[in-house]
Amino acid sequence: EIVLTQSPATLSLSPGERATLSCRASQNINTYLAWHQQKPGQAPRLLLFDASNRATGVPARFSGSGSGTEFTLTITSLEPEDFAVYYCQQRNSWPITFGQGTRLEIK
Amino acid sequence: QVQLRESGPGLVRPSETLSLTCTVSGYSISSGYYWGWIRQPPGKGLEWIGSMFHSGTAYYNPSLKSRVTISLDSSRNQFSLRLTALTAADTAFYYCAGPYGDYARFSWGQGTLLTVSS
Repeated sequence: EIVLTQSPATLSLSPGERATLSCRASQNINTYLAWHQQKPGQAPRLLLFDASNRATGVPARFSGSGSGTEFTLTITSLEPEDFAVYYCQQRNSWPITFGQGTRLEIK
Repeated sequence: QVQLRESGPGLVRPSETLSLTCTVSGYSISSGYYWGWIRQPPGKGLEWIGSMFHSGTAYYNPSLKSRVTISLDSSRNQFSLRLTALTAADTAFYYCAGPYGDYARFSWGQGTLLTVSS
């Protein structure tokens, strides 16, 4: 089973700042990584797939990079609605696994 | 727009069996790709339960494999989750999601809370 480790667990930033979230895989997952955003009381929402492709309707301030075992989600100039929990998820091999999440909170 | 909606009981007794259904609109589940179930205990992270391809091939989380069955009903454009021998540890929000592979159309259901309690 591929283990995904996200860091940091919590990130405290102010609106307008840049956020960088990391996801490390325990083995090579090529670019089969997705990022999901979850706001309190809501279902998750797909942000990025295959490491760097934005899902439909996702603003351009969200971008993803990486391949192999190291991945990054970057949010340039945080908006108030971006404060949420972010999960990475791999589909390179079964079972599908999720990271433990990074909580992005308002500083 | 693809929409998924979970339905099922909100409360089940320990040792009983859970049956949940995900109704898909705006996309035919027979078109290809695969669909999945994910759960989330209150206040905790996401756990993948299993996925099923349109062909009928299924993959399950090894930690749940002995208790889980996912099935598809193409005539109703639905897929279902069956989880047996429930315990309090199965209390969680249950989500359906898909189609995996067609990410331009990928969507999550709104989720349904299952409580296992006597």
